[in-house]
Order: sequence, then structure tokens, then C-alpha cells
Amino acid sequence: QQQVKQSPQSLIVQKGGISIINCAYENTAFDYFPWYQQFPGKGPALLIAIRPDVSEKKEGRFTISFNKSAKQFSLHIMDSQPGDSATYFCAASRGGATNKLIFGTGTLLAVQP
Amino acid sequence: AAGVIQSPRHLIKEKRETATLKCYPIPRHDTVYWYQQGPGQDPQFLISFYEKMQSDKGSIPDRFSAQQFSDYHSELNMSSLELGDSALYFCASSLGRGRYEQYFGPGTRLTVT
Repeated sequence: QQQVKQSPQSLIVQKGGISIINCAYENTAFDYFPWYQQFPGKGPALLIAIRPDVSEKKEGRFTISFNKSAKQFSLHIMDSQPGDSATYFCAASRGGATNKLIFGTGTLLAVQP
Repeated sequence: AAGVIQSPRHLIKEKRETATLKCYPIPRHDTVYWYQQGPGQDPQFLISFYEKMQSDKGSIPDRFSAQQFSDYHSELNMSSLELGDSALYFCASSLGRGRYEQYFGPGTRLTVT
């Protein structure tokens, strides 16, 4: 059972466009929601993260929108660039004694020049 | 800035052999996590350590064991290797038990033939 559901599985965006990736979760004990970027054969790199006490967080071209009541969160990449082409994973954790990350299934983003 | 170091980067083993993967966390980080990522899949949590004690355990086979040493580096020992163990193995580290941000290493690609 996938605890964090991610969509779409793949996404093609034109250079300069907006990339939007969505995630949904069931466990209300989750209280930390990061996004990771992964290039082929590399380790996931932490992009941006949010806690449920805020509805939006922006860092540069990357924005997380968080809807606590709907148990959904999304990543928006503004002015998408070919260098953004990678696999993006959302994740969730619930802190406390364990901070293990539960990942979504990933979205392969291709930004066309 | 210093990152998580993993060694070896690539490892080829035969079925039923043993393998040892090493992880050196970011300096001052006292928490280490191990994840396994199969081809085209999301990372799956295996095990974590905080201050040299196991803090959580995920879907780690009984053939695998791990520990964290006094200098906070960690080793993942894998015995009786199976073809299905072929994957990328990532180590991540964080600062403090209550801190959420996890930083991943470059991974070890294990191939079992």
C-alpha cells in the first residue's frame, strides 16, 4: 500500500512553463513534507520542504502548496528549464522517534528547449 | 560544504556472497538512514541509527545487518546475496533526532550476478 501517492508519473513541459506535481497522503501523523530531485545514478537532493502549519513555501523558482484538510501537497516549478529535467519525489515523515521518509512513486520531468 | 560519503560507489558480487557498504555522514550529523532503491522505483527505508543505537527498522531482510560506530559512520552488511538485492543503496544523514532534513549520499550501486 502506497502511503504517499504521487502524480503524474511523467510530465513534459516547454522551457519557461510551469511544472506541477501533486502528492496525497493518508496518515495524519505525518508532519514534514519534503521534495527531492534526483538525476539518473545520483542520490536524491533535498529541494524544498514544508510543515503543515503553513499553506505555502517558496524558494526561488520552487513553491510547495499544502492543503492540510485535503491531505494534499504539490510542487510548482516556475520558469522550467531543461536543467530541471529529472525525477522528482515527494515524501512524508512523522518525526518523533523516527524520521524515516516515505516516498511517493516519483515523477519524471522532461523540460523541452 | 561537506556531503555524505558512501563507499564503494559500485560493487559487483555473485549470488550467496557477502557485501559491506559504508557511509560517512555529514560532520556533526549523528543520525544515519539507509534506503534501497530498485530500478525505476522510489527509495525504500531499511534502517536508521541515532547516537549509535538503532532507532527504526523498515523492510530490511534478516540477511542484512547494520551498525553505527563511535565516529558516527555506518556500515550495512549484506549476506547470502540474491539477484533481487541488486539496487542502489543510499545513506542519508541528519543532525539530531528531532531534525527532519535528511541529506543523501551518492549511493552504492550493487549488482548481484
